[in-house]
Amino acid sequence: AQKITQTQPGMFVQEKEAVTLDCTYDTSDPSYGLFWYKQPSSGEMIFLIYQGSYDQQNATEGRYSLNFQKARKSANLVISASQLGDSAMYFCAMREGRDGANSKLTFGKGITLSVRP
Amino acid sequence: EAGVAQSPRYKIIEKRQSVAFWCNPISGHATLYWYQQILGQGPKLLIQFQNNGVVDDSQLPKDRFSAERLKGVDSTLKIQPAKLEDSAVYLCASSSGRRGWVYEQYFGPGTRLTVT
Repeated sequence: AQKITQTQPGMFVQEKEAVTLDCTYDTSDPSYGLFWYKQPSSGEMIFLIYQGSYDQQNATEGRYSLNFQKARKSANLVISASQLGDSAMYFCAMREGRDGANSKLTFGKGITLSVRP
Repeated sequence: EAGVAQSPRYKIIEKRQSVAFWCNPISGHATLYWYQQILGQGPKLLIQFQNNGVVDDSQLPKDRFSAERLKGVDSTLKIQPAKLEDSAVYLCASSSGRRGWVYEQYFGPGTRLTVT
């Protein structure tokens, strides 16, 4: 079974509107972390936001927030007030285990987001 | 603070040739990762170093891929001989910062390899 599932086709959003990018995950480890990365056409992966499995509140970082529903095993990324520069690939990733420094990231296949002016 | 550096940015080789990629992580970062990203997919971990020791190389095709991290700083990833299916972007990342236990990874710009 896939550990990270991103099934949305290419997403389109109008500039200044909000958009939600879906991510579901699968793990039996009670300790895990969920990450979202942005990959623009230049190719580098840019860290956006992190949610720990024991965090009580949903993570927020500026215009990014993570809608974490633990029982449903979903960790959707919400981008508010979309900007043209948000057009990129977005990847959801998971790290299992408590020892963060020595745990690899497993990535989903990514979602393409296009922001329309 | 300088980011993760990688070179070359692009490489085109013929199958059965060899190729090497170089990565310089963020200063002070003890953990270094090499990922392979095939077009249309997410990155897949090839190998993880903690200082100059290997932590995880379970997905590294060891018959053709090798990697080393001398002195716990720079790292090189080598493919010999290359196959058509090795065409991909090879991403290097490093990690050491703490925000709680987040350990977010910082990625370099990647090396785009085309095998013809």
